[in-house]
Amino acid sequence: KAGVTQTPRYLIKTRGQQVTLSCSPISGHRSVSWYQQTPGQGLQFLFEYFSETQRNKGNFPGRFSGRQFSNSRSEMNVSTLELGDSALYLCASSLPTGIEQFFGPGTRLTVL
Amino acid sequence: GENVEQHPSTLSVQEGDSAVIKCTYSDSASNYFPWYKQELGKRPQLIIDIRSNVGEKKDQRIAVTLNKTAKHFSLHITETQPEDSAVYFCAASKRGSQGNLIFGKGTKLSVKP
Repeated sequence: KAGVTQTPRYLIKTRGQQVTLSCSPISGHRSVSWYQQTPGQGLQFLFEYFSETQRNKGNFPGRFSGRQFSNSRSEMNVSTLELGDSALYLCASSLPTGIEQFFGPGTRLTVL
Repeated sequence: GENVEQHPSTLSVQEGDSAVIKCTYSDSASNYFPWYKQELGKRPQLIIDIRSNVGEKKDQRIAVTLNKTAKHFSLHITETQPEDSAVYFCAASKRGSQGNLIFGKGTKLSVKP
């Protein structure tokens, strides 16, 4: 079974731009969570989607948003990029009846 | 909200020795405690997890213990090998927010041959 995939793997943007990241969960997984990983703050929860609905949200500003499609693929969007948004963005998926989360390889976002 | 503290931040052991990483959590409603291993440049990988109705779980050289009263849980790695070198993260979540893992800051484990 294929693992969680994320595209693109690397991205360079400038301040003020916006970016969209994509996550395809493991087949059969309907829950997708997004995390931001930085050296200073570690792994921080952004939001979780299940059956196209946002189920939980972390403490990030409204510039960070997401959505989930009917095939469980998810996207997250960051508008008006700031230097501090430079990070590895990870998504993780889990089964509807499970709680184990399996991570994708991440998208490395650099904001210049 | 939940807060997870993890210690130590770095740990260096000789090959064959044991390694122990400890985490404490603040929210007594947390009921799921996974451990992830992240090698440099790679994704976090789930290595073991424990639920609040269990006190200990073992998988070959890896074990996790949970003390609900004290709100702490620990990862034990025995007979360490150089390939165990990585950053290890503990995390916690609670029923109803299971997609929301709160992570510790990580422990960088170095196993010297």
